[in-house]
Amino acid sequence: GAGVSQSPRYKVAKRGQDVALRCDPISGHVSLFWYQQALGQGPEFLTYFQNEAQLDKSGLPSDRFFAERPEGSVSTLKIQRTQQEDSAVYLCASSLAFGGGYEQYFGPGTRLTVT
Amino acid sequence: AQKVTQAQTEISVVEKEDVTLDCVYETRDTTYYLFWYKQPPSGELVFLIRRNSFDEQNEISGRYSWNFQKSTSSFNFTITASQVVDSAVYFCAPHYGQNFVFGPGTRLSVLP
Repeated sequence: GAGVSQSPRYKVAKRGQDVALRCDPISGHVSLFWYQQALGQGPEFLTYFQNEAQLDKSGLPSDRFFAERPEGSVSTLKIQRTQQEDSAVYLCASSLAFGGGYEQYFGPGTRLTVT
Repeated sequence: AQKVTQAQTEISVVEKEDVTLDCVYETRDTTYYLFWYKQPPSGELVFLIRRNSFDEQNEISGRYSWNFQKSTSSFNFTITASQVVDSAVYFCAPHYGQNFVFGPGTRLSVLP
């Protein structure tokens, strides 16, 4: 079956531009996660959804970051007024349920470069 | 914050050698899960293994095995008879409650 897909795969934005990153999770997966991965580092948690409810957004680095999943499937991560420090790979993952050791299935990521 | 340490930044081995990747984590939780993920050059993280905190029985799955020691908060991962295709960055990822934390990763290079 289809895995997690993300688009675009690469995005170059000028400083100050707004960007929107899309994630299509595996069909039927309840939980959806966003991570930020800087070069040479492990993924850092940003936010988490269970269906359409955003249950944890403690990892969002600033109020310029906003995520939504209005119908409990596709999710969008929006970054307003991008800054150079936002340059990273943004990973989306989904899992069948939450908690209790469910593994996450990751998409290929969107590499954002802010110039 | 609950911390994960992967002390080995980079490891190089020759094909067919066994290699062990170390992971030490900090937690105040009594119940949690431990994962290892692999990130090949293509960039997509791939789930490898999972262990829960209340079962310290070590297991083998194909060429993969793991050694979980709750008393020392370590969850080491071994690849037996390594292959070139095993070259990737490996992440240890404890899952505590609603937090899924990734270690900094160990870059494994398997040379032919």
